[in-house]
Amino acid sequence: GAVVSQHPSWVICKSGTSVKIECRSLDFQATTMFWYRQFPKQSLMLMATSNEGSKATYEQGVEKDKFLINHASLTLSTLTVTSAHPEDSSFYICSASVGDTEAFFGQGTRLTVV
Amino acid sequence: GQNIDQPTEMTATEGAIVQINCTYQTSGFNGLFWYQQHAGEAPTFLSYNVLDGLEEKGRFSSFLSRSKGYSYLLLKELQMKDSASYLCAVSDGDYKLSFGAGTTVTVRA
Repeated sequence: GAVVSQHPSWVICKSGTSVKIECRSLDFQATTMFWYRQFPKQSLMLMATSNEGSKATYEQGVEKDKFLINHASLTLSTLTVTSAHPEDSSFYICSASVGDTEAFFGQGTRLTVV
Repeated sequence: GQNIDQPTEMTATEGAIVQINCTYQTSGFNGLFWYQQHAGEAPTFLSYNVLDGLEEKGRFSSFLSRSKGYSYLLLKELQMKDSASYLCAVSDGDYKLSFGAGTTVTVRA
């Protein structure tokens, strides 16, 4: 199946700093990627839809100025958590779709803000 | 909005069968997915149903009834490694997925 690579797998940062997470489709081109967040023992919540060459579409309640998304090429989308706070600590996962029938997920990034 | 319900937890014995139900009410429907997720890892794809009926894939089968807004995932010949969270997700078109809260399955020896 298609491979989506996410980096880093985990990161610890100080409160107030920014963290960038990369999501790459390794063997296919993804015009659309999705960013999810998952808190412990909860399900995945869609944060935003990343569209290549245009602005991301954010879900209700997600601050676009805090979670910056850049989809600069057909194989790379980045999520930057700006001015991170402890409540931003979570598991962030990206996904990309191949056709209609399957979405492939990256490995996820465990963010801890201290 | 989307409303996807599945049980929180299920426990079964190694070698047994477990059925995880999922009901959904969504504004659009473009298919239903089942994913397996081990703790601390990303979800892995198990199945996709867009037409009514049963899809069988090895020890795992998934069923869909669109008129009832209902699906189930059937796990046969349970193994210890099947202990995980199982996520039901509905695509409303444009490949956007809405996830249920997940069902934690514990397999006991």
